[in-house]
Amino acid sequence: AQKITQTQPGMFVQEKEAVTLDCTYDTSDQSYGLFWYKQPSSGEMIFLIYQGSYDEQNATEGRYSLNFQKARKSANLVISASQLGDSAMYFCAMREGTVGSSNTGKLIFGQGTTLQVKP
Amino acid sequence: DTEVTQTPKHLVMGMTNKKSLKCEQHMGHRAMYWYKQKAKKPPELMFVYSYEKLSINESVPSRFSPECPNSSLLNLHLHALQPEDSALYLCASSQHGRAGVDNEQFFGPGTRLTVL
Repeated sequence: AQKITQTQPGMFVQEKEAVTLDCTYDTSDQSYGLFWYKQPSSGEMIFLIYQGSYDEQNATEGRYSLNFQKARKSANLVISASQLGDSAMYFCAMREGTVGSSNTGKLIFGQGTTLQVKP
Repeated sequence: DTEVTQTPKHLVMGMTNKKSLKCEQHMGHRAMYWYKQKAKKPPELMFVYSYEKLSINESVPSRFSPECPNSSLLNLHLHALQPEDSALYLCASSQHGRAGVDNEQFFGPGTRLTVL
């Protein structure tokens, strides 16, 4: 069975500094995808970044980058130049089942990390 | 339009009431999802609709009844709920899976449900 582990319940970072949120995963599939979502206190889940298991390069989206280490089964999110608006809960997730399967599957979520950015 | 909308934003209901949550997307997505989320916890999948047909029911109690009237709309009908059903209910949509590509789920803002 697939599993996502986020070991940091809460993190603090100073404004304008970089922060790394940890995520490890477990799967027996050869082909899989990993997602990071941000959830502010308003409740909406905002998609941040995606990494496919066969992608040769680490994914980047603006200030977000994913430090993907396949052999260690880790997919850490790096946020550069933190802003006050980055304060939120962050979830790492994996889609259940093999990438490209014809059936949609559910997302397996980690327990989340609450990030607080200090001014 | 890359938005999933949900109504109402907040709902308070008694245990004998019948109410419905509504979700709408106009991105042409053919997969739609209902999640339940308790405070400080990850979302838990409830239902998946694929091409307007129910494809996954995660053993949800029958007091929750989903409906997908067309490819843009997803409803969740609520009846005889319990106080422990109070939670944030999130709707999401995605493109259907295709070979070699994974598809992110786009979430709506959620409905905060309180059952008295």
